[in-house]
Amino acid sequence: DIQMTQSPSSLSASVGDRVTITCRASQGINTYLAWFQQKPGKAPKSLIYAASNLQSGAPSKFSGSGSGTDFTLTIRDLQPEDFATYYCQQYSSYPLTFGGGTKVEMK
Amino acid sequence: VQLEESGGGLVHRGGSLRLSCTTSGFTFSNYAMHWVRQAPGKGLEWVSDISVSGDTSNYADSVKGRFTISRDNSKKTLFLQMNSLRAEDTAIYYCAKESPWEVSYVDSWGQGTLVTVTS
Repeated sequence: DIQMTQSPSSLSASVGDRVTITCRASQGINTYLAWFQQKPGKAPKSLIYAASNLQSGAPSKFSGSGSGTDFTLTIRDLQPEDFATYYCQQYSSYPLTFGGGTKVEMK
Repeated sequence: VQLEESGGGLVHRGGSLRLSCTTSGFTFSNYAMHWVRQAPGKGLEWVSDISVSGDTSNYADSVKGRFTISRDNSKKTLFLQMNSLRAEDTAIYYCAKESPWEVSYVDSWGQGTLVTVTS
């Protein structure tokens, strides 16, 4: 199975900040990587697919990059509605696997 | 796109439960579908997916041999039959629709249904 490791597991940031979350795959996954946002008590929302493509309806403040084993999600101009937990997922091979999540908290 | 899970509840260890996901707002028969779960306070775990026609499915090792995914395209409904339930199956179960242009990527999620397995 492909292991997905996210870092940090949590971070504190202020409104207006730019934050970057990293996701590392245990083996190469090309660009078969997605990012999801989840707020407490809510279902996940899809943000990014194919490592860098913005899901229709997702705000352009979210951007993704990377290929192979190392990926990043960047959120610019952090707003109150962006404080949430973010997950990466590889869909290169079965079983599909998620990272452990990164909780973005307000400083 | 609307996805609505149902069928969750309290079940004893070793018991069975059948989850349903009723859909609307898209042509169900054209999309592969997935189940993803989340244990209380934990991260997301992919469970299973099924092809458009229903003839191909995949499972996480943790549920293989105990869970069966299926679909009824005429009723636009996805199912998850869960047998031999264990305490570690306690989770919110989400159904999710696969993207039309990116295989295995899910672009829409339901609100989830809670399954609690008691001893």
